[in-house]
Amino acid sequence: AQKITQTQPGMFVQEKEAVTLDCTYDTSDPSYGLFWYKQPSSGEMIFLIYQGSYDQQNATEGRYSLNFQKARKSANLVISASQLGDSAMYFCAMREGPNAGNMLTFGGGTRLMVKP
Amino acid sequence: DGGITQSPKYLFRKEGQNVTLSCEQNLNHDAMYWYRQDPGQGLRLIYYSQIVNDFQKGDIAEGYSVSREKKESFPLTVTSAQKNPTAFYLCASMTIRQGSIDSNQPQHFGDGTRLSIL
Repeated sequence: AQKITQTQPGMFVQEKEAVTLDCTYDTSDPSYGLFWYKQPSSGEMIFLIYQGSYDQQNATEGRYSLNFQKARKSANLVISASQLGDSAMYFCAMREGPNAGNMLTFGGGTRLMVKP
Repeated sequence: DGGITQSPKYLFRKEGQNVTLSCEQNLNHDAMYWYRQDPGQGLRLIYYSQIVNDFQKGDIAEGYSVSREKKESFPLTVTSAQKNPTAFYLCASMTIRQGSIDSNQPQHFGDGTRLSIL
């Protein structure tokens, strides 16, 4: 079974509007962390935001926020006030356990295109 | 500036040839990782190392080899046994916070190497 599932291969959003990118995960470990990365066309991976399994509140970082629903095992990324520079691939990733090699398992990604 | 440097940016491999991708970091990070990314897909883990002179296989280690002789360096060799090496290769590193139940440390990535077959 897929550990990280991103069901939206591609999405369009109008500039200045908000957009939600979906991510569901599968783990039986009570301790885990969820990460979102942005990958522009140049290829580098840019860390955006983190949510820990024990965090009581949804994470926020500037225009990025996480809609974390633990019971549903979802960690959707919300980007507010979209900008043209937000056009990129977005990846959700999970780290399981406190010391499982600190490895990340990545989803297949969502390509976001911001329309002017 | 501190960061992760991958070289070369583009690399071409001939049939039967081994090639080595370089990854150097000056962030004093303990752990280093190699990922492979095929077009339109997510990242898959090849190898990782949490300490000098030690490394573990990831999900797709066959046809690859690594070494970790120095904390700063984690080169990846794509051997001739890897029959489909054309991909984008990303190196990452992170610090390890011992004793932390819920480490929020992200992995930091280099700019990648694009490998193609001639």
